[in-house]
Amino acid sequence: ILNVEQSPQSLHVQEGDSTNFTCSFPSSNFYALHWYRWETAKSPEALFVMTLNGDEKKKGRISATLNTKEGYSYLYIKGSQPEDSATYLCAFLKGNEKLTFGTGTRLTIIP
Amino acid sequence: DVKVTQSSRYLVKRTGEKVFLECVQDMDHENMFWYRQDPGLGLRLIYFSYDVKMKEKGDIPEGYSVSREKKERFSLILESASTNQTSMYLCASISSTYEQFFGPGTRLTVL
Repeated sequence: ILNVEQSPQSLHVQEGDSTNFTCSFPSSNFYALHWYRWETAKSPEALFVMTLNGDEKKKGRISATLNTKEGYSYLYIKGSQPEDSATYLCAFLKGNEKLTFGTGTRLTIIP
Repeated sequence: DVKVTQSSRYLVKRTGEKVFLECVQDMDHENMFWYRQDPGLGLRLIYFSYDVKMKEKGDIPEGYSVSREKKERFSLILESASTNQTSMYLCASISSTYEQFFGPGTRLTVL
C-alpha cells in the first residue's frame, strides 16, 4: 500500500488569515496528484489534478504547487472564509488508475 | 450536470444480513470505485472496475464483493454484514483526465 501523508491532521484558522498544508507521496512512478475538498454532508469535490513537476494551479483564493522529485504538494488558501471549512484530501495516482488517498487535513475557519 | 448517485444515504442492517449498495453514474465513465471512509483512516479502496463484468480488488476487499453488469451501475455487496463494516461508503467514477466524481455516500450502520 502506498504511503500518502497529509499534515497537519487538523487546523483552526482565523477568518481572513491565510493558511497552507502539505501532502507527501512516493516520488517514484508519479502520474498525478489530486486535491479534493470534502464538506460535511456533501461529496468530495475535485479541486485540482496536477501532473507536471513545478505545476501551480489556482482556483479563486485556493492554489496548489507540486514537486514530484521530492514528493510533496502544498495547498494554499488566501484570506480564509467560513465556507472554506472542510476536509482537504490529496490523492496520489501511480498510473494504474487507482488513487491512494491521504487521511486529510480538517480545516476549521473561526469567524 | 455530471452525477454519481447512490441508492441510500443512510442504512441500518443487522449482523449477518446481506447488504447491497448501489451506485449509478451518468457520465459514461468506464472506471468505477467503491471506498469506505473511517475516522483517522481516510478513504480506502475496496474494489474497482474498469469495464463491464470486470473487477479488481482494492486495498481492503475482505468481506465484500461487487457486481458490474452494466456500464453505469456498480454494486457493492456485503455477503454477511458485520459490525466492523459500519462505515461511510463512497462510490466514484473517473473521467478520461483522471478526475474522480464522487457520490453522496451511504452511511451504513450494522447492529
